[in-house]
Amino acid sequence: KAGVTQTPRYLIKTRGQQVTLSCSPISGHRSVSWYQQTPGQGLQFLFEYFSETQRNKGNFPGRFSGRQFSNSRSEMNVSTLELGDSALYLCASSFDRAYEQYFGPGTRLTVT
Amino acid sequence: EDQVTQSPEALRLQEGESSSLNCSYTVSGLRGLFWYRQDPGKGPEFLFTLYSAGEEKEKERLKATLTKKESFLHITAPKPEDSATYLCAVWTNFGNEKLTFGTGTRLTIIP
Repeated sequence: KAGVTQTPRYLIKTRGQQVTLSCSPISGHRSVSWYQQTPGQGLQFLFEYFSETQRNKGNFPGRFSGRQFSNSRSEMNVSTLELGDSALYLCASSFDRAYEQYFGPGTRLTVT
Repeated sequence: EDQVTQSPEALRLQEGESSSLNCSYTVSGLRGLFWYRQDPGKGPEFLFTLYSAGEEKEKERLKATLTKKESFLHITAPKPEDSATYLCAVWTNFGNEKLTFGTGTRLTIIP
């Protein structure tokens, strides 16, 4: 079956702009989680959505937000971009909590 | 706060030279431990899930084991294509449930 897809794969934005990233989970998966990966901090949890509701949230500022649609597809938005937001943003889907998560290829965001 | 520590940070092995990677954790209420493999510029690829101490899982040249405080990923007779960063992550049931990742072990297999 098809894996997790993320669009776009690469993005270049300027400080102060906002950006929206998209994630389509594996068919049948209702949980979608978002992570930020940087060389210095590794993989850090942003938030998790399940059945259109945010179920868990990591320690990121309110500029980072997300939502999930009825078909389980999810979007992540970052407003007022900062240089430090440059990272690989990964989306992962799973059947539910404590089940293995399957990751997409990520969106490489560069903020200049 | 949940903590996951992986060691070593980097490991270089000759092809065929077996070794083990370590993932130690300090968490409240472990529900599961996951191993992933990540190639440069790609998302992590799921390898194993371990749920209880004493559990073992195998896949080709990889074998994962779990104790109450740590997990090992044993690599037997590795090949160059096993070169990657190996990540472990823990899922806990205390407070805000989420997956906490270690910083990974970067494995290089030299032909």
